[in-house]
Amino acid sequence: SQTIHQWPATLVQPVGSPLSLECTVEGTSNPNLYWYRQAAGRGLQLLFYSVGIGQISSEVPQNLSASRPQDRQFILSSKKLLLSDSGFYLCAWSVMGEGDEQFFGPGTRLTVL
Amino acid sequence: DQQVKQNSPSLSVQEGRISILNCDYTNSMFDYFLWYKKYPAEGPTFLISISSIKDKNEDGRFTVFLNKSAKHLSLHIVPSQPGDSAVYFCAARGLSGSARQLTFGSGTQLTVLP
Repeated sequence: SQTIHQWPATLVQPVGSPLSLECTVEGTSNPNLYWYRQAAGRGLQLLFYSVGIGQISSEVPQNLSASRPQDRQFILSSKKLLLSDSGFYLCAWSVMGEGDEQFFGPGTRLTVL
Repeated sequence: DQQVKQNSPSLSVQEGRISILNCDYTNSMFDYFLWYKKYPAEGPTFLISISSIKDKNEDGRFTVFLNKSAKHLSLHIVPSQPGDSAVYFCAARGLSGSARQLTFGSGTQLTVLP
């Protein structure tokens, strides 16, 4: 069966510090991978998606970047965090070529102080 | 521009009664619609979906209705149970770049009162 892992579960970082959130998927190959953010009181905003290794598409301009160094690994990064980067970050995967039902990880709660 | 809207941020329903969650969309190119359920501090979990060629899909206590002419879908939960209390997101699938993408609404917090 497929599983998706995210870490860390919670993170408190000062403004201006770097960020690295990691997501890995097990039990499937060539998945589509996604990073979402849920800000307080808001819906799910798609940040990045990837259809393959090294292929990253950005949906919104922002302070964040994403990388996919391996087929089932997706990393969300920032060189300098802003207060507005606080939120709940979710990684998701879907079957390659389909993209309808997405399976979400447990999320990372990021607080930037 | 919000292409998928959930205009009710919250809904309270008595246990045993019907819960109706609503969602409107603006993009007529969306071809597949999904509902997700989310508990606090957890990732969303898939609940039920419907293709744009259908107007109803039922799975146990959950039924999703699609009105294409009105660009409106709704999720009915009957009977509602306290464990159904969660945030419900509707999502619509459309083409974006090289992959089909989901666009999510802002969510509705459902509270089922015992």
